[in-house]
Amino acid sequence: DAGITQSPRHKVTETGTPVTLRCHQTENHRYMYWYRQDPGHGLRLIHYSYGVKDTDKGEVSDGYSVSRSKTEDFLLTLESATSSQTSVYFCAISGGVVGGPRFYNEQFFGPGTRLTVL
Amino acid sequence: SQQGEEDPQALSIQEGENATMNCSYKTSINNLQWYRQNSGRGLVHLILIRSNEREKHSGRLRVTLDTSKKSSSLLITASRAADTASYFCATDAGGGADGLTFGKGTHLIIQP
Repeated sequence: DAGITQSPRHKVTETGTPVTLRCHQTENHRYMYWYRQDPGHGLRLIHYSYGVKDTDKGEVSDGYSVSRSKTEDFLLTLESATSSQTSVYFCAISGGVVGGPRFYNEQFFGPGTRLTVL
Repeated sequence: SQQGEEDPQALSIQEGENATMNCSYKTSINNLQWYRQNSGRGLVHLILIRSNEREKHSGRLRVTLDTSKKSSSLLITASRAADTASYFCATDAGGGADGLTFGKGTHLIIQP
């Protein structure tokens, strides 16, 4: 995951506050994804992006919004954090390099952000 | 809802033994992938098998896919302590760009 960074890596916040998580890639891949990982649930898709300014909802999108203004950055925002959003958040990329052939294969994951909402 | 369900949820074996994990899924797929996650880290892709393939090998990994039973298995041969991790199957049903659907994972412990 050297080409994918997430910031912050850890965050503790209070209920009702806005939170933004950042995913940054240097791989120039087309597609970017946000997942959350919770005990007993595995990973669940929150939102994903086909390209700049082109995003769509995943399985558990309620309470989350995303933005992608540049190929390399994908932001996940919790407008008003709740305790149920305490989780580990992973960003992933796939799809091959922009301008090159499309690859529908593996996803490459970032190191994760551990978010605690008190 | 989870597409893939791994079995068993946890597995503990001795170093050198083979480890087998199973995954069942519910809907038609384009491909099925297996990922490994070490404690506190992100997921790492291990192997992908397409819906028209029945078996695939990569080093000490062997994956099978039975689309009629909607199931897959991951075999790790000659296990090592470094194989201790959680293993997830993930299915791709939407053509590749729509994200993956993950199972809950199998936690594998290799005892020295």
